[in-house]
Amino acid sequence: EAQVTQNPRYLITVTGKKLTVTCSQNMNHEYMSWYRQDPGLGLRQIYYSMNVEVTDKGDVPEGYKVSRKEKRNFPLILESPSPNQTSLYFCASSLVSNTEAFFGQGTRLTVV
Amino acid sequence: KQEVTQIPAALSVPEGENLVLNCSFTDSAIYNLQWFRQDPGKGLTSLLLIQSSQREQTSGRLNASLDKSSGRSTLYIAASQPGDSATYLCAARAIDRGSTLGRLYFGRGTQLTVWP
Repeated sequence: EAQVTQNPRYLITVTGKKLTVTCSQNMNHEYMSWYRQDPGLGLRQIYYSMNVEVTDKGDVPEGYKVSRKEKRNFPLILESPSPNQTSLYFCASSLVSNTEAFFGQGTRLTVV
Repeated sequence: KQEVTQIPAALSVPEGENLVLNCSFTDSAIYNLQWFRQDPGKGLTSLLLIQSSQREQTSGRLNASLDKSSGRSTLYIAASQPGDSATYLCAARAIDRGSTLGRLYFGRGTQLTVWP
């Protein structure tokens, strides 16, 4: 089944403790991206990747890192999480940057 | 910068009604427009994708139209059911100036409740 898989689905962590949210797609898509969703603000893009080893900032990249060492994986790294990064995070992929987007099930992150 | 607006923000209707959700975008330079459904605390499920060269797409009881020149898209839901209750999001895949990169810009959604 074609899908985008995120892990974990839920995470509670403490301020400053490094964490990684994984994202994997099995559709051989080139374009992958991360979004955060906050009440009243909607979905905002954090980072995106055009292909392996090609990444760039979205609208709200501060406090986040990404890597794209393999085509199927696009992990989101929070080196030193803070409470303002408490949010619902989504990974998405598409064949290329201008085609249909497929989303993962989301990761609800709480930073205390 | 592309801005996407959805009206209404919330809608509550009795079962069986036909309804229309509206989406507007400020820049007509788009590759496509995509409608999603989001259930509470869940991911986004793609409903319909309309390419910029198309006028409408249909899937079951759903019909989406696109008028690029006026910057509008509508999602029509026929014979609504309680199972249609969810938040509906539209997203415009905008063409970034000076590149071929397409970025998704989301509206804030319409929260639909269909009661029996």
